[in-house]
Amino acid sequence: NAGVTQTPKFRILKIGQSMTLQCTQDMNHNYMYWYRQDPGMGLKLIYYSVGAGITDKGEVPNGYNVSRSTTEDFPLRLELAAPSQTSVYFCASSYQGGAFFGQGTRLTVV
Amino acid sequence: AQSVTQPDIHITVSEGASLELRCNYSYGATPYLFWYVQSPGQGLQLLLKYFSGDTLVQGIKGFEAEFKRSQSSFNLRKPSVHWSDAAEYFCAVGADNTDKLIFGTGTRLQVFP
Repeated sequence: NAGVTQTPKFRILKIGQSMTLQCTQDMNHNYMYWYRQDPGMGLKLIYYSVGAGITDKGEVPNGYNVSRSTTEDFPLRLELAAPSQTSVYFCASSYQGGAFFGQGTRLTVV
Repeated sequence: AQSVTQPDIHITVSEGASLELRCNYSYGATPYLFWYVQSPGQGLQLLLKYFSGDTLVQGIKGFEAEFKRSQSSFNLRKPSVHWSDAAEYFCAVGADNTDKLIFGTGTRLQVFP
């Protein structure tokens, strides 16, 4: 089983550039999430979705956008990248019994 | 507001010793509680969860956790630690009893041979 797949694994962006972090899951989960992980801070929820066409903000949504056109895919868009967005990003999906996480995308903004 | 506190940033134990990682939560009702483990460079793996019922829950890899409402705690335990248990451990509460997780800051476990 592939589970939750994130691409790319690593990326370096210049300030002001934009990019999309891809996330796909093959477990037919309705719920999907994006978190960012910073050293010593745990993980913070950026956006989440309860099903195709429905998204909502989490704790730290500024500077990000999401869409959910299918059950499987939940891309995260960074517009005008800033150094504060340097982080490790995790996508997760769940069935209301505990979330399954992808392997993460390590993003550096320089 | 819901929150999770993991008071120990770093714990070191000898292989074969017992382990207890502390977790305290702040939540008005009975919370959904989780423990996750993260190996270096990896994603998070669910160790165990508590929703209701028996307050002692068993998880994977020989871990267990006990929900104590009176102490607002959900401590993770293992009777005998293996070198492969070295990792970072995160306690989390499900916001509004969902899988929208509020994480603690994590405890890094180091295991000495």
